[in-house]
Amino acid sequence: SQQGEEDPQALSIQEGENATMNCSYKTSINNLQWYRQNSGRGLVHLILIRSNEREKHSGRLRVTLDTSKKSSSLLITASRAADTASYFCATDHTGNQFYFGTGTSLTVIP
Amino acid sequence: DTEVTQTPKHLVMGMTNKKSLKCEQHMGHRAMYWYKQKAKKPPELMFVYSYEKLSINESVPSRFSPECPNSSLLNLHLHALQPEDSALYLCASSGDHLDEQYFGPGTRLTVT
Repeated sequence: SQQGEEDPQALSIQEGENATMNCSYKTSINNLQWYRQNSGRGLVHLILIRSNEREKHSGRLRVTLDTSKKSSSLLITASRAADTASYFCATDHTGNQFYFGTGTSLTVIP
Repeated sequence: DTEVTQTPKHLVMGMTNKKSLKCEQHMGHRAMYWYKQKAKKPPELMFVYSYEKLSINESVPSRFSPECPNSSLLNLHLHALQPEDSALYLCASSGDHLDEQYFGPGTRLTVT
């Protein structure tokens, strides 16, 4: 399967701590995106990073991309209880293919 | 308006029924998507329309039939579904093909 693999599958941290989740993929990409999903709801786009970019920031979010290792990471700093959600990477592959990763379930304990 | 709307929110249908899911956006986006998501799994891409033309069809069974009447509307026609088709069906749109996507809240479908 071309689906990206994310780790960890689940992560539980205290409020105020940082959370890091990783995404690995198998074939060349045009871009990689990160999304958040609260339980049973639609997804919310967080960041898009293109294949020629290495790092991007948005508020408390920092995304890195290493195309040589075919991997990306999402860092959420100073986490809040409201950050509790599932986080998915999504990859736009050459050849008109698009896949969501397996997801990381983040729990932030107040 | 940065919203993608989906109707209905919930749908229960028998295996012999015909029903349709509807999706609408007014952001001027040129790409629209249908996804299927089972519980505790990632969304799986089903169809992509780009400039009102079907650009991606991920080998979805013919009992699912997409339709894009215009650039703001996307339908998914359902016929003779199986119980394993029960899932959350998500619609999304983006300004350009496979770019940043805006998602609707989904339709929770149960096939009995």
